[in-house]
Amino acid sequence: QVQLQESGPGLVKPSQTLSLTCTVSGGSISSGRYYWNWIRQPAGKGLEWIGRVYTTGSTDCNPSLKSRVTISVDTSKSQFSLNLSSVAAADTAVYYCARGVYLRYFDYWGQGTLVTVSS
Amino acid sequence: QSALTQPASVSGSPGQSITISCTGTSSDVGGFNYVSWYQQYPGKAPKLMIYDVSNRPSGVSNRFSGSKSGNTASLTISGLQAEDEADYYCSSYVSTITLVFGAGTKLTVL
Repeated sequence: QVQLQESGPGLVKPSQTLSLTCTVSGGSISSGRYYWNWIRQPAGKGLEWIGRVYTTGSTDCNPSLKSRVTISVDTSKSQFSLNLSSVAAADTAVYYCARGVYLRYFDYWGQGTLVTVSS
Repeated sequence: QSALTQPASVSGSPGQSITISCTGTSSDVGGFNYVSWYQQYPGKAPKLMIYDVSNRPSGVSNRFSGSKSGNTASLTISGLQAEDEADYYCSSYVSTITLVFGAGTKLTVL
């Protein structure tokens, strides 16, 4: 059973960089069929796809966030990471990592981690 | 990319059937057979219920079904149960580099 677990600071100051890591277990992060995604959800609102990374390190990002997003993968640690720069209050959300089959669907999700942007 | 349009809320009584719509454009829902549906309980992660318009992952009840007509996809839940009360989100492939989610629908079982 594939499991994903997010980790990282729960509080980030405005203008700083939000950094999260997702650890994958129960399956290989190097499997060629899957992409590794970040998705967020502000309180009481809908889901927003942030971006994804492939095992090779290639990435795609939501055009609305692209200038601030960096996603990377460390296959040796079975982890992938998200950096979101210049954060503001609007970036406060629950951040999920998820395994994706191309951009068709997400079949496994982490439990989510709340990140609050506040001074 | 604008969010796909879903009704804010739907409701039904136990045993009934309900349908949640997800409307997009020919550039997303209408252009590809890559619509998925997710169920989310409060404080929990979303769970995949339907993928590629009408396919159910292993372990998902056959009370859940998906379909698509033109630019609108639909999730139908038959034999409604109290445990089906949750938020439901649709998602659609848009291009090789992005996708879009719906705004979400709150299902209430009366």
